[in-house]
Amino acid sequence: QVQLMQSGAEVKKPGDSVRVSCQTSGYMFSIYGVMWVRQAPGQGLEWMGWISGHNTYTEYEQKFQDRLIMTTDTSTNTAYMELTSLRSDDTAVYFCARVTFSDWYPRILEYWGQGTLVSVSA
Amino acid sequence: QSALAQPASVSGSPGQSITISCTGTNNDIGAYNYVSWFQQHPGKAPKLILYDVSHRPSGVSTRFSGSKSGNTASLTISGLLAEDEADYYCSACKRTNSHVFGTGTTVTVL
Repeated sequence: QVQLMQSGAEVKKPGDSVRVSCQTSGYMFSIYGVMWVRQAPGQGLEWMGWISGHNTYTEYEQKFQDRLIMTTDTSTNTAYMELTSLRSDDTAVYFCARVTFSDWYPRILEYWGQGTLVSVSA
Repeated sequence: QSALAQPASVSGSPGQSITISCTGTNNDIGAYNYVSWFQQHPGKAPKLILYDVSHRPSGVSTRFSGSKSGNTASLTISGLLAEDEADYYCSACKRTNSHVFGTGTTVTVL
């Protein structure tokens, strides 16, 4: 069965970087993508970006353009999300989700990871 | 980018039907039929309940249905059950291959 397993909770200081992993299984990694979504405490879902499992092409939400890096490791079918220059308002649960594309539109998000809490505090 | 607009809360009694709206622009909801709806219980990951406006993934109850008109999509929950009490989010693809979520709606079963 399709599974996305994320790495554990992180505690960081302002200015630090964090890398969250999303290990996938149960499907062919290269024909789907991975989207990253975050949710601040008590807030809604926020799209961050997505990466293709086929050619590592990425699309990022403009507000994260200069401090977000998404990568994949096809040998382990794992996606990574790195966010740099962390601020207190980056405190959130970060989710990964498998993307089904249609003409490079991220059309279906059927399977999700369990979420990773990233806390940023001095 | 601006989130899609949803009502903050909707409530209904068991057995009733409720509808949640999701309003965007002609650059997202109005552009394609790539509108999805998610259900999220507290402390859990979102669960896909509708995609492509009105298609249900395998295993999702037929009590969930969707539609779209112009720049507004809607989710209807029929025969409301206590287990339907949750947060609901719409989402849509944008013309730029990016993605946007709705502001979220809390459904309360009275």
